[in-house]
Amino acid sequence: SQTIHQWPATLVQPVGSPLSLECTVEGTSNPNLYWYRQAAGRGLQLLFYSVGIGQISSEVPQNLSASRPQDRQFILSSKKLLLSDSGFYLCASQTTLNYGYTFGSGTRLTVV
Amino acid sequence: AQTVTQSQPEMSVQEAETVTLSCTYDTSENNYYLFWYKQPPSRQMILVIRQEAYKQQNATENRFSVNFQKAAKSFSLKISDSQLGDTAMYFCAFMKDSNYQLIWGAGTKLIIKP
Repeated sequence: SQTIHQWPATLVQPVGSPLSLECTVEGTSNPNLYWYRQAAGRGLQLLFYSVGIGQISSEVPQNLSASRPQDRQFILSSKKLLLSDSGFYLCASQTTLNYGYTFGSGTRLTVV
Repeated sequence: AQTVTQSQPEMSVQEAETVTLSCTYDTSENNYYLFWYKQPPSRQMILVIRQEAYKQQNATENRFSVNFQKAAKSFSLKISDSQLGDTAMYFCAFMKDSNYQLIWGAGTKLIIKP
């Protein structure tokens, strides 16, 4: 079975600082990868998804970006964080075997 | 476009009771998949149960079962003998057969009281 490693678990960053969240996948190859954001007590908002190395699709215009330098590595970045970037960020992986998603444990980002 | 609706923002039941969470969806697709995910206070998203639209038999996983009504576009989750550890947000989600992206409901907060 696949495992998603996501770090850091918690992050407090000042406004205007850069961001890099990393997600790595074990136990599968060529997965579809997803970045979601979740506000407190709310549902999931899809930010980016990737079907392969270097292939990124953006769902929401924002100051965030994503990259997939390796098959099982997915990175969420920002050059300058905004207060509105605060939230809970989840990475998810999907293979074609069962069509479900496997999620990482998430990163709680607070921009101050 | 597909939409998923969870009409119950919050529910509360006593431990050991049975509870049903509702989910409806809107689609013109014939082949698709439906999911229930659980998000406990730790915020880890966990797949609870999955249903293929072409299967008439309702999916079951131990104490969790679904009532899938394709014509009515309804996909409810039943939790039997509820336990304190079932306290969580529950999300219903839809996926087209031709597209691997999940469409999410807004979630139902379930509280199991001792």
